[in-house]
Amino acid sequence: ETGVTQSPTHLIKTRGQQVTLRCSSQSGHNTVSWYQQALGQGPQFIFQYYREEENGRGNFPPRFSGLQFPNYSSELNVNALELDDSALYLCASSLGRARGANVLTFGAGSRLTVL
Amino acid sequence: GENVEQHPSTLSVQEGDSAVIKCTYSDSASNYFPWYKQELGKRPQLIIDIRSNVGEKKDQRIAVTLNKTAKHFSLHITETQPEDSAVYFCAASNPGNTPLVFGKGTRLSVIA
Repeated sequence: ETGVTQSPTHLIKTRGQQVTLRCSSQSGHNTVSWYQQALGQGPQFIFQYYREEENGRGNFPPRFSGLQFPNYSSELNVNALELDDSALYLCASSLGRARGANVLTFGAGSRLTVL
Repeated sequence: GENVEQHPSTLSVQEGDSAVIKCTYSDSASNYFPWYKQELGKRPQLIIDIRSNVGEKKDQRIAVTLNKTAKHFSLHITETQPEDSAVYFCAASNPGNTPLVFGKGTRLSVIA
C-alpha cells in the first residue's frame, strides 16, 4: 500500500505566474482534500474532491481551482500568483463516504515560494 | 462554519512531565476530533482521534478527552520525551465527508 505523494516538493514562482501542484492519493482512497499551511499556522481548507467532483470549498478565491482524475489523483492550480500564496500546500486523501471518512492521510506537501 | 481555537500556542515542559493542550470548537454538530503531530519539515500525522459518542480515549502515553456540552477537547501527553517535541494541531469536523477545520497549532518543546 502506498501513501500520499505530492509533487513538486519545492518550487519558486514570481507574482502573476500560474502553478500546478499534483497529488496521488493513498491506495483505496477516493477523496482528496487540499490545504494551505502558511508559516506558523494551521492548515486551511481549500477544497475537496470526491469521485472527480468538487465536494466543498473553503474561503479561497476562484483563482484556486482543482481537478480529480478517474484514478483519484488530483491537481491544484493557482492562477495570478500573489506573494501571500507562499505556503506549504498539503494534499490529504481519505475514504470518502465511509465510516472513516474524516480520517485524513497527508502527503509531505509542496512548498511554494512566490517572489 | 466551524471555528477551532487552540491553546497554548507554545508549551515547554521538562522531560517526564505531562503536557496538556486544549481546543474549543463552535459548531455543536461537529462529531469528530482528531489530533495531528507535525515534526519540523514533515507531514502532519494523526496521533489520536475521538468521536462524539465517547468522552475519553487513551493510547499508551497520549489521551484525548471531550466535553460536548462545553464544546472543548484536550490532548494529554504523560511522561513526555524529547521526541514528543513537535507542533500539535487539533481539528474538528461535522458528520460525513466534510472537511476538517484545524486549530492554529501548539509548539511543544520537551526539555531534557
